[in-house]
Amino acid sequence: AQTVTQSQPEMSVQEAETVTLSCTYDTSESDYYLFWYKQPPSRQMILVIRQEAYKQQNATENRFSVNFQKAAKSFSLKISDSQLGDAAMYFCAYRSVRGSQGNLIFGKGTKLSVKP
Amino acid sequence: NAGVTQTPKFQVLKTGQSMTLQCAQDMNHNSMYWYRQDPGMGLRLIYYSASEGTTDKGEVPNGYNVSRLNKREFSLRLESAAPSQTSVYFCASSEARGRATYNSPLHFGNGTRLTVT
Repeated sequence: AQTVTQSQPEMSVQEAETVTLSCTYDTSESDYYLFWYKQPPSRQMILVIRQEAYKQQNATENRFSVNFQKAAKSFSLKISDSQLGDAAMYFCAYRSVRGSQGNLIFGKGTKLSVKP
Repeated sequence: NAGVTQTPKFQVLKTGQSMTLQCAQDMNHNSMYWYRQDPGMGLRLIYYSASEGTTDKGEVPNGYNVSRLNKREFSLRLESAAPSQTSVYFCASSEARGRATYNSPLHFGNGTRLTVT
């Protein structure tokens, strides 16, 4: 079974600085998808960015980018020019392409604080 | 754009009581999911439904039942609530239907905070 590990329960960053959140996963599959979700205090789950395993190019969405290292099974999220609104829980998630489930397997999350 | 709607938003139950959490999506998605979120545990899959008329167990199904009433609605029932079921429950839906659509994300409702005393 696949597992997702986020080794940093909490992180802190100064406003306007850059922070990287770590995520590693364990799988024997070669084709899969990876996601980062943000959960602010409102509890809403918001998609931040996604990556397809067969694409070597790292995904980017405005200030958010990933460092996808397939051989190392690593999928870190970099937030540039951090803003107060980036303060939230961040979840890394894995999706297998096998079967009909389509569900995401989540890590335990990293709580990001942004200091003004 | 309602997306995924969950009701209720909050609920307090006594041990042994039953209740049903309702979920509806208006995006014509085939797949629907129920997750629970506990502090320090992330989100764990309770049940999922890959299409209307089918349901399957996820990682933590014990103590729960589900019904995929139609394509829009997927309900979660607690027959005899226990304090261990105190959690935040999320319903989600996705267009995921085979390899070609697995880059589509899960769309989540706003969650139900359930407390069992």
